[in-house]
Amino acid sequence: EAGVAQSPRYKIIEKRQSVAFWCNPISGHATLYWYQQILGQGPKLLIQFQNNGVVDDSQLPKDRFSAERLKGVDSTLKIQPAKLEDSAVYLCASSLEGTSGRDTQYFGPGTRLTVL
Amino acid sequence: AQSVTQPDIHITVSEGASLELRCNYSYGATPYLFWYVQSPGQGLQLLLKYFSGDTLVQGIKGFEAEFKRSQSSFNLRKPSVHWSDAAEYFCAVGARGFQKLVFGTGTRLLVSP
Repeated sequence: EAGVAQSPRYKIIEKRQSVAFWCNPISGHATLYWYQQILGQGPKLLIQFQNNGVVDDSQLPKDRFSAERLKGVDSTLKIQPAKLEDSAVYLCASSLEGTSGRDTQYFGPGTRLTVL
Repeated sequence: AQSVTQPDIHITVSEGASLELRCNYSYGATPYLFWYVQSPGQGLQLLLKYFSGDTLVQGIKGFEAEFKRSQSSFNLRKPSVHWSDAAEYFCAVGARGFQKLVFGTGTRLLVSP
């Protein structure tokens, strides 16, 4: 079974530039998550999709971050404009249902973003 | 809202020795508890999870964890550590309904020869 795919793996940009990350979840998984993991911290949920609808985006900085999951499959997370504090690893995860709290979340390898 | 504390930032264990990583949670009801491992450059992999029932949970790679409600703890254990266990370990707490996981800050395990 193929895992969660993410690209790119690494990205270096200057502040005020824009960047986009792509995620393809495990086939058939209804729920998709984007996490931000700052160095020395645990992952923090940015946004959660159930199929193509947003379930939770309470911690997404909406003035600069946006995410979409068209057709309920793959997803894109965008940052525009980037700030120095956005330097982090961006993790994508998926789970089969995500509605009961018991689902296992499967994580991709992440995209390491460095903002200079 | 739920929260997780992992009091140990780094732990060094000799290969072959036993391991215990601490995790304390805060949640008003019975939580869903998880331990994940993250190797360098890789995503997180689930080691084990607890929802209800038997408070001693077995996971992959020889790991186990014990849920202690009275102490609000879910400590991870392994009887004999291997060099390949060197990684960062995250405890997470979830809630019923839509699964918002809250992660601790992680414990980095170093294994000495």
